[in-house]
Amino acid sequence: DGGITQSPKYLFRKEGQNVTLSCEQNLNHDAMYWYRQDPGQGLRLIYYSQIVNDFQKGDIAEGYSVSREKKESFPLTVTSAQKNPTAFYLCASSIGLAGRADTQYFGPGTRLTVL
Amino acid sequence: QQQVKQSPQSLIVQKGGIPIINCAYENTAFDYFPWYQQFPGKGPALLIAIRPDVSEKKEGRFTISFNKSAKQFSLHIMDSQPGDSATYFCAASIGLTGANNLFFGTGTRLTVIP
Repeated sequence: DGGITQSPKYLFRKEGQNVTLSCEQNLNHDAMYWYRQDPGQGLRLIYYSQIVNDFQKGDIAEGYSVSREKKESFPLTVTSAQKNPTAFYLCASSIGLAGRADTQYFGPGTRLTVL
Repeated sequence: QQQVKQSPQSLIVQKGGIPIINCAYENTAFDYFPWYQQFPGKGPALLIAIRPDVSEKKEGRFTISFNKSAKQFSLHIMDSQPGDSATYFCAASIGLTGANNLFFGTGTRLTVIP
């Protein structure tokens, strides 16, 4: 099956701990994205990557870090510096058409709860 | 600052009705306007998308109307069904340099009553 997988589906973290969310795609897409979803606020961009070994901050990057060592993988680390990390995290990917917007496809999400 | 403004926040219609969800934007550089449907606990799924060179696009029971001069676009769901009950997000994107960052509206929770 082609698509985007995220793991785990649910994640619990104690305050002060770092935690890493996994995102894998087998769509051969160049671009990958991480969003955070909170009730009533839509989706907000955390980080995005257009090619391997390159990534850029989105609107709410503080307290998060990413890596893009492989085309198919884009893990997100939620650090202890993130003040309010409890949220639903969504990973997406797109072909990555230079100079023209293209469709983003989303994974099933990971719900992170800080205890 | 919200780049894409969406209304209403919630909407309840009877089965067979035609819910309409509206979005507005300011940045004229946006060149791609997708709509996503999201069920509880799931990731958003692309429903339909339009580019600014057309004023309307239909896919099945879903229609996007686009008014470039007013910088507004809307989603119409014909013959709505209870299975359409979900949260709908409009979005806009700029394709410059392939960055393709999506700016989302705040979502509309649609309930279709049988």
